[in-house]
Amino acid sequence: DVKVTQSSRYLVKRTGEKVFLECVQDMDHENMFWYRQDPGLGLRLIYFSYDVKMKEKGDIPEGYSVSREKKERFSLILESASTNQTSMYLCASSPPGMVAGSNQPQHFGDGTRLSIL
Amino acid sequence: DQQVKQNSPSLSVQEGRISILNCDYTNSMFDYFLWYKKYPAEGPTFLISISSIKDKNEDGRFTVFLNKSAKHLSLHIVPSQPGDSAVYFCAARSWDAGNMLTFGGGTRLMVKP
Repeated sequence: DVKVTQSSRYLVKRTGEKVFLECVQDMDHENMFWYRQDPGLGLRLIYFSYDVKMKEKGDIPEGYSVSREKKERFSLILESASTNQTSMYLCASSPPGMVAGSNQPQHFGDGTRLSIL
Repeated sequence: DQQVKQNSPSLSVQEGRISILNCDYTNSMFDYFLWYKKYPAEGPTFLISISSIKDKNEDGRFTVFLNKSAKHLSLHIVPSQPGDSAVYFCAARSWDAGNMLTFGGGTRLMVKP
């Protein structure tokens, strides 16, 4: 069973702080993703990575950066946190293509609810 | 420009009745569609999927219908149970985009006892 683990379930930080959100997956998946979920807006892709040290911008990368030094770990960094970055952050992982016998492209962690005060 | 839309932000249904959640898409390259279910303070969990070569897929109380000509899919839950109360996200995958998914805005389903 795929396990995607996000280091914190709840986090409270102050405006201007540098914030790190960590995600680890145990399935040796090549792809990893960071989304944020806001009411009415669904899941919006911030960044994704298709290999170690590789990263691509998603739909809303502004104010964020990422790091993927090891295959199993994908970190999201808020360089200088702002109140509009208060949100639920979701990490996901997937293999590069559809796997025979699998009907689920992406597996999600439980999310980190981040509040910026 | 939203390629996947869920036009109903919320839906309220009586326990035992049918819940119908709708999703529309615009991208003709989408070849695989999924529904994820999300409880508060948890990550989305996969519910059911359908390939574009099919028009129906059933799994227990959950059935997904795909109408390619209308670019519309729907999720039917019969009978609805209070434990089904959650936010449901429709997602779509393009055949040329690996496992990248495009998500709709979600529909909050409330099943009343």
